[in-house]
Amino acid sequence: GQNIDQPTEMTATEGAIVQINCTYQTSGFNGLFWYQQHAGEAPTFLSYNVLDGLEEKGRFSSFLSRSKGYSYLLLKELQMKDSASYLCAVMDSNYQLIWGAGTKLIIKP
Amino acid sequence: GAVVSQHPSRVICKSGTSVKIECRSLDFQATTMFWYRQFPKQSLMLMATSNEGSKATYEQGVEKDKFLINHASLTLSTLTVTSAHPEDSSFYICSASGSGVTEAFFGQGTRLTVV
Repeated sequence: GQNIDQPTEMTATEGAIVQINCTYQTSGFNGLFWYQQHAGEAPTFLSYNVLDGLEEKGRFSSFLSRSKGYSYLLLKELQMKDSASYLCAVMDSNYQLIWGAGTKLIIKP
Repeated sequence: GAVVSQHPSRVICKSGTSVKIECRSLDFQATTMFWYRQFPKQSLMLMATSNEGSKATYEQGVEKDKFLINHASLTLSTLTVTSAHPEDSSFYICSASGSGVTEAFFGQGTRLTVV
């Protein structure tokens, strides 16, 4: 079966760095996405990785290793507004998105 | 980035009535639209995938006669919850993707409450 694993909840301090991991087992691979979702709102797109390596976008970076079925989202200089759920999703061979359950990130002052 | 507009954002309806939710892609042609349901503190659950001009493909366990999906044009898909019951209360989200588009763009979501 297809499976996406990510931690349920993480806590970090304002101004610090946090890494949210995601491991996956899917039928084929056409890219991995990270989305941010605030409570009661729809997800918003953060990043897309289809090749191995690190993609950096301001305070957020995303890393992919296809051979290991592994990705992480790195958030630097954390701000209170970064408190949200972070969803990892993999596009499989049928171009369908397989979603992880999301990681709730709690930022403390 | 591309914009997907979902309407209404919130709706309260009486048990037994039907509710229609619209999802529009405003600046690209959405060849494929996805409808999701999300319960509190849970991830998105794909309900169905619709391709323009053809019947939607429903995920296992989703009643196609209860959740009617229409994708008649490249810019509009609708989800109609028929004979709604309180257990249908949830957050419904659409997303759309088109040819050459590498990501799925989400609508704002619809909070449905059935009383």
